[in-house]
Amino acid sequence: GESVGLHLPTLSVQEGDNSIINCAYSNSASDYFIWYKQESGKGPQFIIDIRSNMDKRQGQRVTVLLNKTVKHLSLQIAATQPGDSAVYFCAETGFGSGNTGKLIFGQGTTLQVKP
Amino acid sequence: GAGVSQSPRYKVAKRGQDVALRCDPISGHVSLFWYQQALGQGPEFLTYFQNEAQLDKSGLPSDRFFAERPEGSVSTLKIQRTQQEDSAVYLCASSLRGDKREKQFFGPGTRLTVL
Repeated sequence: GESVGLHLPTLSVQEGDNSIINCAYSNSASDYFIWYKQESGKGPQFIIDIRSNMDKRQGQRVTVLLNKTVKHLSLQIAATQPGDSAVYFCAETGFGSGNTGKLIFGQGTTLQVKP
Repeated sequence: GAGVSQSPRYKVAKRGQDVALRCDPISGHVSLFWYQQALGQGPEFLTYFQNEAQLDKSGLPSDRFFAERPEGSVSTLKIQRTQQEDSAVYLCASSLRGDKREKQFFGPGTRLTVL
C-alpha cells in the first residue's frame, strides 16, 4: 500500500505486506530528516533518520528514501506486523543559520495493520 | 536505561489557573526541546534549551507561556492564566550533544485539559 501523508492520512495494509508511507517536506534547505512512530497515549518514538547527502538508508525492516529534487521522503516497512500500527510522522530540520535543531513535523499518517 | 520522563501525565485545569509541567531529560543530554501537540496534529515547536540557556523561544504562543531549565537538567514549562485553546499534549524531547542534526528522544507527554 502507498500513502501521501498530507492527502491520505490513513493507510490500511494486510499483515505481512510491505507498507510505504510518503511525506512531502517544505524547505529545500532542510538537511536532516527523521521518521517517528507514535502510538496512542505515547510520545513519538525514533525509527530512522537520514541526512541530505544520502538517498537511502536502511534499518531493521525499515528503509527511508530521500528525493531532494521533489522534496519527498518515504518510509518503507517490510513485512508489516500488527505492532506497527501507529501514526507515523516525518520531521525535518537543519536549515537556516539560526537553526537550533527544532523539528518541523508533517501532519502524520495512520497505519492500520489488518491481521 | 531511563528515558525522558514527564509529570504529571494528565492535568486538568480550570480556565484562568496556572499550571507547571515538568520534564526530566535523559541524564547528560545537552539539548532540551518542548513541543505542543494538538489532537490529530503533529508536534509543534515551542522552545529550546542548550544546557541552562534558552536559545530559542520563537514557538511560544504568548507571554503566558514560560519555560526554564535553571541547572541544565530538569525543565519546567509554565502556563499562566490557562485558556481552553491551551488544551493539548505537551511533549519534551532531549538530545545528547546539541548537534542540530541529531535525533531527539521524546517523553510520554503531559495531556493538559483546560475546562
